[in-house]
Amino acid sequence: NAGVTQTPKFRVLKTGQSMTLLCAQDMNHEYMYWYRQDPGMGLRLIHYSVGEGTTAKGEVPDGYNVSRLKKQNFLLGLESAAPSQTSVYFCASSTFFSNTLKLFFGSGTQLSVL
Amino acid sequence: GESVGLHLPTLSVQEGDNSIINCAYSNSASDYFIWYKQESGKGPQFIIDIRSNMDKRQGQRVTVLLNKTVKHLSLQIAATQPGDSAVYFCAEGLNAGGTSYGKLTFGQGTILTVHP
Repeated sequence: NAGVTQTPKFRVLKTGQSMTLLCAQDMNHEYMYWYRQDPGMGLRLIHYSVGEGTTAKGEVPDGYNVSRLKKQNFLLGLESAAPSQTSVYFCASSTFFSNTLKLFFGSGTQLSVL
Repeated sequence: GESVGLHLPTLSVQEGDNSIINCAYSNSASDYFIWYKQESGKGPQFIIDIRSNMDKRQGQRVTVLLNKTVKHLSLQIAATQPGDSAVYFCAEGLNAGGTSYGKLTFGQGTILTVHP
């Protein structure tokens, strides 16, 4: 059982380049999320999805797009990368079970934009 | 140019001591609170949660206390071990099983260092 898998683990981009981060979960969870984590700060929600084919904006959505074409996958896209998007990106999925909400996180993607 | 990051609160303890990590949350309407542990190079891991209709909940070696009057949350770790060294985050949410869809707001984190 792999849980939540993120690819790639590391990436360096030049300003203006585009890329897509892939998140895959094998737990059949309905909800999926993309967070970013900056030094000395907690995680901030970029976008989230409550089911296949649906997405919604989180706290810091500007400069990012997402797609959830399949239940198990949640893609995060940067169309024109900026240095301010240098961060560690975490994907998560969740289920509500036995009165407990648990988010399961991937191991993160370290992105540097030069 | 070089960016200046925020300095996380830190807590250093000796192995075997009890640790208390504090968190002030922001939204008085939040009704669900979670503590996460994040080890270096890994994603956050769920530790324990508590709902707003409780003021205390215990797990294995951990206890979470909630004081809604002052919007304060704490995590107590008993007999702290070197493997507990990590960054600890509190998170708050609203209506966990309903229309909030599991969206959480995270605190900035506290670095716990356990010395052997």
